[in-house]
Amino acid sequence: NAGVTQTPKFQVLKTGQSMTLQCAQDMNHEYMSWYRQDPGMGLRLIHYSVGAGITDQGEVPNGYNVSRSTTEDFPLRLLSAAPSQTSVYFCASSLTGDTEAFFGQGTRLTVV
Amino acid sequence: AQRVTQPEKLLSVFKGAPVELKCNYSYSGSPELFWYVQYSRQRLQLLLRHISRESIKGFTADLNKGETSFHLKKPFAQEEDSAMYYCALGNTGTASKLTFGTGTRLQVTL
Repeated sequence: NAGVTQTPKFQVLKTGQSMTLQCAQDMNHEYMSWYRQDPGMGLRLIHYSVGAGITDQGEVPNGYNVSRSTTEDFPLRLLSAAPSQTSVYFCASSLTGDTEAFFGQGTRLTVV
Repeated sequence: AQRVTQPEKLLSVFKGAPVELKCNYSYSGSPELFWYVQYSRQRLQLLLRHISRESIKGFTADLNKGETSFHLKKPFAQEEDSAMYYCALGNTGTASKLTFGTGTRLQVTL
């Protein structure tokens, strides 16, 4: 059982480049979310989805897009990377809004 | 706005000593509080949540609405407890939409 899988684990981008961070879960969870973790700031919610076709913004959505075309996948898109987006990104999923959130192993992104 | 405060970045204790990791929250609604733990080279995982009122790996946490606190406690620290601990706040039905504290690194030494 793979759980929540994030790819890639590491990525270096140049300012202005675009890329997609992948997140997939095989637990048939309805809820999925993306967080970023910066030094001294804990994890902050970027975007959130309560099911296929439904997404919502979190605390820090600017510069990021998401879509949820399937239950399994919740990709995070950076349209034009900026150094301020250098961070560690975590994807999480839960069966419902009341159940435990399971996290991926994280993607370390550096924008130069 | 909801907020979670973990005042200690690092807590260093000796093996066998009691542990208390502090967490205070600010939230106007009905809070759901969680403790997540990240061991070295492992992913973030749920340690406990206040509604379950369980003791996991010897850790307990009591929600004190009067003091808006959810401190994590263990009577006798073990080496394997060394990890990063995050307190997190949600509201009913949003266990995946959490506000995290900045985390406390617990270091248990011999």
